[in-house]
Amino acid sequence: ETGVTQTPRHLVMGMTNKKSLKCEQHLGHNAMYWYKQSAKKPLELMFVYNFKEQTENNSVPSRFSPECPNSSHLFLHLHTLQPEDSALYLCASSLKAGGPPTYEQYFGPGTRLTVT
Amino acid sequence: TQLLEQSPQFLSIQEGENLTVYCNSSSVFSSLQWYRQEPGEGPVLLVTVVTGGEVKKLKRLTFQFGDARKDSSLHITAAQPGDTGLYLCAGVGGSARQLTFGSGTQLTVLP
Repeated sequence: ETGVTQTPRHLVMGMTNKKSLKCEQHLGHNAMYWYKQSAKKPLELMFVYNFKEQTENNSVPSRFSPECPNSSHLFLHLHTLQPEDSALYLCASSLKAGGPPTYEQYFGPGTRLTVT
Repeated sequence: TQLLEQSPQFLSIQEGENLTVYCNSSSVFSSLQWYRQEPGEGPVLLVTVVTGGEVKKLKRLTFQFGDARKDSSLHITAAQPGDTGLYLCAGVGGSARQLTFGSGTQLTVLP
């Protein structure tokens, strides 16, 4: 139990569906992250929020839309996805983004997304 | 773009054996982290190394940061089945100080 929860744990959606992934952290952190983990590829950073402000968008397609209403909650809204978007989507949090090198990131268990 | 290459990609050993996993880059990192990820879970931080040449020990795990802060290694002594998992190195660098992850080493320790 890392203090970061993600729901749902598994999601199957069609290419025309709209769904949302939810992440919640109970650690009092101020930075939250979305990562994509695909088979045979390194973890890819998608978005970074620091004190509710988006500070990083790593050229992510607009069919992925993040939302951070407060420092404890992070959402990833999905629409018109492609089969190649199937992956494990991981949420993480840290004390703050861009802090000293020793700031740890705590990861949630991920949402396994399958796009059909 | 900073890249981290891990080797080997896959490693299957018998319980009690020793092993070393490598993490290499042509870029300099201000610090380097090692994570372990088990099936169905997110990565869990094992250690952070900050100083070139630094060695940290965590029970049977020994982590080393290269003198030039471009590479790192993880050595496990007397591996146990509970060590099975995906080991990821991640470097901190660049102006944004974001993590760059390696592709991982999948370790299987057979009883």
